[in-house]
Amino acid sequence: GENVEQHPSTLSVQEGDSAVIKCTYSDSASNYFPWYKQELGKRPQLIIDIRSNVGEKKDQRIAVTLNKTAKHFSLHITETQPEDSAVYFCAAVTRGSGNTGKLIFGQGTTLQVKP
Amino acid sequence: SAVISQKPSRDICQRGTSLTIQCQVDSQVTMMFWYRQQPGQSLTLIATANQGSEATYESGFVIDKFPISRPNLTFSTLTVSNMSPEDSSIYLCSAGQGRGTEAFFGQGTRLTVV
Repeated sequence: GENVEQHPSTLSVQEGDSAVIKCTYSDSASNYFPWYKQELGKRPQLIIDIRSNVGEKKDQRIAVTLNKTAKHFSLHITETQPEDSAVYFCAAVTRGSGNTGKLIFGQGTTLQVKP
Repeated sequence: SAVISQKPSRDICQRGTSLTIQCQVDSQVTMMFWYRQQPGQSLTLIATANQGSEATYESGFVIDKFPISRPNLTFSTLTVSNMSPEDSSIYLCSAGQGRGTEAFFGQGTRLTVV
């Protein structure tokens, strides 16, 4: 089955700096890669996603890149703000799961943005 | 987008008892899933709730411990049976249309077993 590895587990940056979180996946049939942000005590919220037919996607300060050959994808947050502080999860959906949309999550990255 | 309501939001239960968690979606969805999230940990998929048939369980999770129902396209329940303190966790419902589209989450049920 699919396995998703996420690094780093914690990341501390100064406000205004960039943050990068990286994930690798094992199943070459995976075709959808969402990123979720989870604030303390809250539900995970989708912040950006990318499909396997696209190499990069941007939404304001957030971007995701995908390298299918290397089976890794990354989240880039520019001009970080204190409100970006949260736990970020990458995930992968494998076509092998019957296209059910079953998400396999990475271990999570705790991002702290220091003012 | 779909709005997902879960209840209860939290509960404290005695060991050996069972708790049923309800998940209601405001629109019809193809897929519903149940996850467990231990404090400070990632989300682990328990099972896929299949409408009109038995749920599909992930490795390490069994129907006797986590029976799931999904009577229609907007509702599902997860029961945590014969609870022990090790079952203390946050349980999350997720729903979406599958096929690599956005999945939404309920607010979670924080379960403490004493």
